[in-house]
Amino acid sequence: DTGVSQNPRHKITKRGQNVTFRCDPISEHNRLYWYRQTLGQGPEFLTYFQNEAQLEKSRLLSDRFSAERPKGSFSTLEIQRTEQGDSAMYLCASSSKTETQYFGPGTRLLVL
Amino acid sequence: AQTVTQSQPEMSVQEAETVTLSCTYDTSENNYYLFWYKQPPSRQMILVIRQEAYKQQNATENRFSVNFQKAAKSFSLKISDSQLGDTAMYFCAFMMIGGSQGNLIFGKGTKLSVKP
Repeated sequence: DTGVSQNPRHKITKRGQNVTFRCDPISEHNRLYWYRQTLGQGPEFLTYFQNEAQLEKSRLLSDRFSAERPKGSFSTLEIQRTEQGDSAMYLCASSSKTETQYFGPGTRLLVL
Repeated sequence: AQTVTQSQPEMSVQEAETVTLSCTYDTSENNYYLFWYKQPPSRQMILVIRQEAYKQQNATENRFSVNFQKAAKSFSLKISDSQLGDTAMYFCAFMMIGGSQGNLIFGKGTKLSVKP
């Protein structure tokens, strides 16, 4: 039973560039979540999918952020025109009907 | 809106001793889950324990147990026989049951150091 995987694990980019992260959930999980975690803080919710439907988006998710889960399996999170304030750890989690969320290792983004 | 508060930014404990981490939350909902997650240094978030609000019995997982006080909106984590591998950030989290809202609301965390 493989856990949640995320790629890349680290990303360094220059301000203004676009970046895309991928999350592969646990195979039988139909729910997928994205969170952002800054240093010394708990994760903050960004968005949530049930199968391929995006059911909720946080106010934190500005117009520069977009997430997809095209076939209800893996998900991508894209940040356009990155800013230094986007530097953070981006966490993905998945869950089934039991509703307990299992987290991936995260993608650490540094915007220079 | 729901909030989760962890009032202890850092704690330390000697190996083999017991430590309790505090968490309080605020909600007007009656049906929810509470969780404790552990995040070791540079490693991923791991579920420690889960409590359903409708259950009066406190959850237990080996050396980890909770003291759930629904009326007081308190959810503390007790770690018995602390081990060096317990060194980590511990996050308390709340999740409402039902509706379209499925996200976890986290506290700011407590950094636990287990000393040999």
